[in-house]
Amino acid sequence: GAGVSQSPRYKVAKRGQDVALRCDPISGHVSLFWYQQALGQGPEFLTYFQNEAQLDKSGLPSDRFFAERPEGSVSTLKIQRTQQEDSAVYLCASSSTGNGYEQYFGPGTRLTVT
Amino acid sequence: KQEVTQIPAALSVPEGENLVLNCSFTDSAIYNLQWFRQDPGKGLTSLLLIQSSQREQTSGRLNASLDKSSGRSTLYIAASQPGDSATYLCAVLFSGGYNKLIFGAGTRLAVHP
Repeated sequence: GAGVSQSPRYKVAKRGQDVALRCDPISGHVSLFWYQQALGQGPEFLTYFQNEAQLDKSGLPSDRFFAERPEGSVSTLKIQRTQQEDSAVYLCASSSTGNGYEQYFGPGTRLTVT
Repeated sequence: KQEVTQIPAALSVPEGENLVLNCSFTDSAIYNLQWFRQDPGKGLTSLLLIQSSQREQTSGRLNASLDKSSGRSTLYIAASQPGDSATYLCAVLFSGGYNKLIFGAGTRLAVHP
């Protein structure tokens, strides 16, 4: 019955490596969101799922970013061929309706690309 | 373009002061507005959620108001304490979008004893 969880909490990748970030939403939450937060900035939207359907991916910065939620619960954000500009905190949030009521955030994954 | 702006960017006050943090948004057609707290290296903690039909919400020493017509929200913190030190983020859910929150850059608050 815990909140949103994310793993790993910290990830260091060498430039060019692929990474996969995991999000476990609150059980029963239909909507799932990914945000990217650069240092000193507010989070920025990446993508949105309603159950297993990816309804909005307009925030994904390039085709190196890919997200999935195949069974409508756990979601994975994958970044291929990481670049230094991908260094950020990646936040996952979930909410209980498709209309996006109050969003509950996980602790985030801090990605550092060296 | 739908944007959210927070003023001031940073604030340092002595303990006990009453504080006002400001948030403005560019489009009055909103679904709701959330205020979050973020501690260094941590995720976001939701403080208050105001639906578009509401004027304010209160939780303990926190009070948030919403004026859609002027595109503004205010977070009022009464009798500030050192434990209130954190970054406060305002986020708006604009109508017509796919539910994504648009965030301001935040106000970094430091309350010193």
